[in-house]
Amino acid sequence: EVQLVDSGGNLVQPGGSLRLSCTASGFTFSTSWMAWVRQAPGKGLEWVATIKQDGSETYYVDSVKGRFTISRDSAKNSLLLQMNSLRAEDTAVYYCAKIWYNSFNFWGQGTMVVVSS
Amino acid sequence: DIQMTQSPSSVSASVGDRVTITCRASQGLGNWLAWYQQKPGKAPNLLIYLASSLQSGVPSRFSGSGSGTDFTLTISSLQPEDFATYYCQQGENFPLTFGQGTRLEIK
Repeated sequence: EVQLVDSGGNLVQPGGSLRLSCTASGFTFSTSWMAWVRQAPGKGLEWVATIKQDGSETYYVDSVKGRFTISRDSAKNSLLLQMNSLRAEDTAVYYCAKIWYNSFNFWGQGTMVVVSS
Repeated sequence: DIQMTQSPSSVSASVGDRVTITCRASQGLGNWLAWYQQKPGKAPNLLIYLASSLQSGVPSRFSGSGSGTDFTLTISSLQPEDFATYYCQQGENFPLTFGQGTRLEIK
């Protein structure tokens, strides 16, 4: 059974940093493109970042470029999102997701990030 | 960036009804279009990928069609568990983008 478990969400002050993790099981993580998708409270879905199987390619939505870094540790079956210079508008539930034909076929349960003073 | 526009934004329907949701892209997608269902407090669930391919485990009352810029999601006979919010998403190029969502409510 495919499982994605998101963790690391917290309350952080504007300008602060946070590192999200996603632990994968039930599929071959090392051969899968992965992504982070977020959802602000009461709002729709927003793709954040994608990483290729071997980590050699990464893609970001413009609003997080230069502040967020997606990475992976295939030895630990983990997907990471390092978030720096956080803003109020980054407040959201963050989901990791497995990519399938440029869609997202499995999702984590989500982890809440609140950026507020 | 490719803009995705769903219509309607909300719809009321009854159990047993046939419902169609449309999604229009600001430029051609080929068939790189997916549909998701999301219930409150839960992660989205993939229903359709590549415009018309039914994801494993999804009931056959869900179907997708279209190519290029115009796509539809059809639920042939609404069940109580289908009342949720539905999103389309383009996978043609980065940034990947979603429609604004269609809320399907009980009439």
